[in-house]
Amino acid sequence: DAKTTQPTSMDCAEGRAANLPCNHSTISGNEYVYWYRQIHSQGPQYIIHGLKNNETNEMASLIITEDRKSSTLILPHATLRDTAVYYCIVRAGSGGGADGLTFGKGTHLIIQP
Amino acid sequence: GAVVSQHPSWVICKSGTSVKIECRSLDFQATTMFWYRQFPKQSLMLMATSNEGSKATYEQGVEKDKFLINHASLTLSTLTVTSAHPEDSSFYICSAKYTLLSSYNEQFFGPGTRLTVL
Repeated sequence: DAKTTQPTSMDCAEGRAANLPCNHSTISGNEYVYWYRQIHSQGPQYIIHGLKNNETNEMASLIITEDRKSSTLILPHATLRDTAVYYCIVRAGSGGGADGLTFGKGTHLIIQP
Repeated sequence: GAVVSQHPSWVICKSGTSVKIECRSLDFQATTMFWYRQFPKQSLMLMATSNEGSKATYEQGVEKDKFLINHASLTLSTLTVTSAHPEDSSFYICSAKYTLLSSYNEQFFGPGTRLTVL
């Protein structure tokens, strides 16, 4: 799996958009970008994933650069409940692999009131 | 979305005893489930991959005789920590791969089980 690099921590004001960056310069053509988050003392929660096109769902938007070497997860209107550790993971997607996920250190996002 | 449950949510046991943790996919079938361990202030580490009807695959450094995994049905995998010791105290989390959606590798996680060995 390609290695990812994320900032250790970030602050964001409640109600603002939270933009979480992730670098994955060694990503290969068949690898997807997945985002999960883990609220303290809970299991991780799937957020979104993408291959090359930008994606949006009810939780977030994922913007992937044209060269696919980096991406940004956007929480459009952050709330206090979005305080969590956010993990960017690069993995083979379509039909591929039954392997578990490799979690890095992630970004600890703190939403300030 | 798909729901995964774990039981118990927390357990305290004496050193030398065995503890069984259950992981269930409640509204979907999962031929593959995964077990992770998370120590305080650290990230999740994959312990093993559990496949329905076959032996589990363990990650390097994880003792298969100590962490027994059984995946007897498409909705249930169990992890048994045998002869637990204080160093096994950790947060154990399972996940299940949503195999009906074979187009991508999404996994759904359980809420975790906090194990404390005295």
